[in-house]
Amino acid sequence: DVKVTQSSRYLVKRTGEKVFLECVQDMDHENMFWYRQDPGLGLRLIYFSYDVKMKEKGDIPEGYSVSREKKERFSLILESASTNQTSMYLCASSPIWGGLNQPQHFGDGTRLSIL
Amino acid sequence: KQEVTQIPAALSVPEGENLVLNCSFTDSAIYNLQWFRQDPGKGLTSLLLIQSSQREQTSGRLNASLDKSSGRSTLYIAASQPGDSATYLCAVRLSGGFKTIFGAGTRLFVKA
Repeated sequence: DVKVTQSSRYLVKRTGEKVFLECVQDMDHENMFWYRQDPGLGLRLIYFSYDVKMKEKGDIPEGYSVSREKKERFSLILESASTNQTSMYLCASSPIWGGLNQPQHFGDGTRLSIL
Repeated sequence: KQEVTQIPAALSVPEGENLVLNCSFTDSAIYNLQWFRQDPGKGLTSLLLIQSSQREQTSGRLNASLDKSSGRSTLYIAASQPGDSATYLCAVRLSGGFKTIFGAGTRLFVKA
């Protein structure tokens, strides 16, 4: 089974801090994604990466950056955390083989609170 | 701009009932549609993926249909059980890329 692991289930940080959210997948998937999930808004794509050191902006990249130095690891960085970034963050991965008809596999999420 | 809507937002049914969850999307230029299940405080689990050329997919008690021309998909759950209680999300992958648009979900509660 595909395993997508997010480093923290719950995280509390202060306004202005630099925050790192880590995601690791064990299935050698090329594609990795970061979403945030807010009540009534569904999941919104922040960034995705289709290869090491490659990244593309999603719908809401402002205030975030990402890093993909190794294929299995995709990090989301909040450069200067703000209260409106309090949310559930979900990481996902999918393989490139088989084309676009491969399902995304999700981690359990990190619930981040910014005080 | 693609929008994905799920109705109803919440649903409560007695155990054993067959039920249908609805998903609609505004742009028929999709690559596939995926149904997910999300338990409280957890990530998403993929249930079914329907390619744009397909009409339906089945897995156990679940059956998902796709009508691309009308912009609709349904998830049919047969003989519902309390363990089916969760939020169900549909998501469409846009043609030509990796972008996926999610609905806000239907929260299902199956009463024993």
